[in-house]
Amino acid sequence: DARVTQTPRHKVTEMGQEVTMRCQPILGHNTVFWYRQTMMQGLELLAYFRNRAPLDDSGMPKDRFSAEMPDATLATLKIQPSEPRDSAVYFCASGLVRAGQGDEKLFFGSGTQLSVL
Amino acid sequence: KNEVEQSPQNLTAQEGEFITINCSYSVGISALHWLQQHPGGGIVSLFMLSSGKKKHGRLIATINIQEKHSSLHITASHPRDSAVYICAVSLAPEGNEKLTFGTGTRLTIIP
Repeated sequence: DARVTQTPRHKVTEMGQEVTMRCQPILGHNTVFWYRQTMMQGLELLAYFRNRAPLDDSGMPKDRFSAEMPDATLATLKIQPSEPRDSAVYFCASGLVRAGQGDEKLFFGSGTQLSVL
Repeated sequence: KNEVEQSPQNLTAQEGEFITINCSYSVGISALHWLQQHPGGGIVSLFMLSSGKKKHGRLIATINIQEKHSSLHITASHPRDSAVYICAVSLAPEGNEKLTFGTGTRLTIIP
């Protein structure tokens, strides 16, 4: 079965360190999303890409977060410097989004559980 | 006020019972998603719908656009259905983008 692969599954780091999370979307999907889940806020959209171009990153703190898609098989989410309030589970999801089509589900990765001490 | 409200927040039922989880939203949407998050944390997309009803196995999702309301039903519930069920809506034309999520309904099915 095709799946979205995220690495690492778990990351524990100290405040101030750089964190990089990686995502391999499903081959053929043209849209990749980064979501963050916390107990307080639930699931929130951070950023997403269409055909590797960033479409919206308004949910992301710009001063410390950056999202890129260097090629069609890799999306990255970087936090520098990390802070304790960044502790959360970060999910990547991919989907095939076509103009005029409204029946495509999203596929989620297993998430990266980040703890910033 | 959240744009997406789910009820109940928690639901415990006996195996075999018919389950209904509700989702109400306050804005015009292009599509609504039902997601399932298991205790291990993984998220699975169950349905994406913009009108009417969809069925997959023991799961049925309905949406009433006029009333801005959707329901997720589980027939003949089983302990393996225990999970958090999350409703999400999209305002974007394609229906997959810029999802706004409800806070989830934690379902526990007792054998």
